[in-house]
Amino acid sequence: EAGVVQSPRYKIIEKKQPVAFWCNPISGHNTLYWYRQNLGQGPELLIRYENEEAVDDSQLPKDRFSAERLKGVDSTLKIQPAELGDSAVYLCASSSPGGNEQFFGPGTRLTVL
Amino acid sequence: AQSVAQPEDQVNVAEGNPLTVKCTYSVSGNPYLFWYVQYPNRGLQFLLKYITGDNLVKGSYGFEAEFNKSQTSFHLKKPSALVSDSALYFCAVKGGGFKTIFGAGTRLFVKA
Repeated sequence: EAGVVQSPRYKIIEKKQPVAFWCNPISGHNTLYWYRQNLGQGPELLIRYENEEAVDDSQLPKDRFSAERLKGVDSTLKIQPAELGDSAVYLCASSSPGGNEQFFGPGTRLTVL
Repeated sequence: AQSVAQPEDQVNVAEGNPLTVKCTYSVSGNPYLFWYVQYPNRGLQFLLKYITGDNLVKGSYGFEAEFNKSQTSFHLKKPSALVSDSALYFCAVKGGGFKTIFGAGTRLFVKA
């Protein structure tokens, strides 16, 4: 069984530029999460999807961040424009219907210069 | 509001010795508790969970954790540490709002 796939693995951009991250969850997993992990900290939830519906986006900075999961499968997280403080690892995770544990992708390490 | 505390930034243990990584939590209602491990440049991997039932739960790689309701703790344990256990460990709690909160992590260093 393939795991959660994320791309790119690394991204370096200058501030004020846009950036997008892509995630493909484990097949059959209806719940998808985007987290941000700052250095030396645990993951912090940005948004959670149940199928194509965003059910928790309270921590998503909506002035510059957006996300979509149009067909309820893969998802894209976008930042526009990026700021220096956005440098972090962006993790995608998924869980099965009724499942409690989450399965994480390898993450995208974003560096904003 | 729910929260998770991992009071130790780092735990050092000699190979072959038992290890404990501490976690305390605060949540309304019955908690769902998890441990995850993160190796360098990789995402988090699920180790074990407590939902209900026996207070001692067993997980991957010989790890176990003990749920203590009165002390609101969920400490991770292993009887005999391996050098390969060296990694970053995260405790997490899921409350009634279905949101999972992660602790700040504890770095485990096992010395040969």
